[in-house]
Amino acid sequence: SQQGEEDPQALSIQEGENATMNCSYKTSINNLQWYRQNSGRGLVHLILIRSNEREKHSGRLRVTLDTSKKSSSLLITASRAADTASYFCATDPAGANDMRFGAGTRLTVKP
Amino acid sequence: KAGVTQTPRYLIKTRGQQVTLSCSPISGHRSVSWYQQTPGQGLQFLFEYFSETQRNKGNFPGRFSGRQFSNSRSEMNVSTLELGDSALYLCASSWTGVTEAFFGQGTRLTVV
Repeated sequence: SQQGEEDPQALSIQEGENATMNCSYKTSINNLQWYRQNSGRGLVHLILIRSNEREKHSGRLRVTLDTSKKSSSLLITASRAADTASYFCATDPAGANDMRFGAGTRLTVKP
Repeated sequence: KAGVTQTPRYLIKTRGQQVTLSCSPISGHRSVSWYQQTPGQGLQFLFEYFSETQRNKGNFPGRFSGRQFSNSRSEMNVSTLELGDSALYLCASSWTGVTEAFFGQGTRLTVV
């Protein structure tokens, strides 16, 4: 079963703009991760944020986590056409030893 | 280091047949998870293996099964295939199951 839900389902922006995607989840977690998937291929890990962290940066990526609201956001700054992909959040439900993914946000960056 | 390898990449089967998919994880990784991805349902968790033991299972019928070998390679099997089983099957390996996961390119299964 899925644990997280991404919002919006699809997002279209111009190159150079910022893109923000949100993820909400249902149960307590230890970690939350974001992944990217290019069309029909395997997922690539972007960033992991632990439940005791509130914000994390990696290059043009900024992730926030609000455990009280059970939500996270992924911000991609100065987007590029190459950022066009689907983005998924993944959480490890408390007590589980695996990750559950949301349905993803489809990001299109127009050149 | 070599990535996660899934074989075969593409597969076409007929309803009622069975299929076995293979996943070779990154060397040293003991956790292998399987996911089914369809346009309508997103990534659905199938099961996770760690050191040859199935630790977790998703909400899939018993037609879906798997196993892990002593070298951490994993297989999943789907018996009595249905049209709705057509999907991209992804395998992911990691050290523990909840740390950074490395995904294979997937096996695209089409049931006709």
